[in-house]
Amino acid sequence: KQEVTQIPAALSVPEGENLVLNCSFTDSAIYNLQWFRQDPGKGLTSLLLIQSSQREQTSGRLNASLDKSSGRSTLYIAASQPGDSATYLCAADPFFGNEKLTFGTGTRLTIIP
Amino acid sequence: NAGVTQTPKFQVLKTGQSMTLQCAQDMNHEYMSWYRQDPGMGLRLIHYSVGAGITDQGEVPNGYNVSRSTTEDFPLRLLSAAPSQTSVYFCASTQGREQYFGPGTRLTVT
Repeated sequence: KQEVTQIPAALSVPEGENLVLNCSFTDSAIYNLQWFRQDPGKGLTSLLLIQSSQREQTSGRLNASLDKSSGRSTLYIAASQPGDSATYLCAADPFFGNEKLTFGTGTRLTIIP
Repeated sequence: NAGVTQTPKFQVLKTGQSMTLQCAQDMNHEYMSWYRQDPGMGLRLIHYSVGAGITDQGEVPNGYNVSRSTTEDFPLRLLSAAPSQTSVYFCASTQGREQYFGPGTRLTVT
């Protein structure tokens, strides 16, 4: 059974700093790995999706990497802003389709102005 | 496009009552899923569907039923509510790399 872990559960950093969020998974037989953002009381917004054949994906100030052999993914946020404050979740998908995701418990990020 | 809509936003049930959480999408996505989110446990898959007429169980299906009679709708039925089903429920639809989540339904069972 796939297990996805995110450490730390919470992180506070001053505005402007670069930061890295970590995600680890136990079963390397994944089709893709996604990173989501969740604002309080809201649904999830997909940020980046990395297919198993890829090593990284970039969108603006966000860069996500995937190392299947070690069971790790990271989300790098450059030049953090207060608007980046949210909970970030990673999820592993065993098949094409994204309908059966296994989620981590998330990292609650606070950017201090 | 409205994306993924869920109703109701909030609901309080008494133990033993039944209800249906509604989910609809207007993007013609084939795949839809239901998740529950509990504090400290992340999101867990309840049921999913890969197309109209096709459903399957996820990680925590007990106490829930689903059906998919149309591409647009994927309702989740609680047969006999229990306090352990107090949670926030999210519906998702996906097609290829596109994935959208609804805003959630916060359910409390007393």
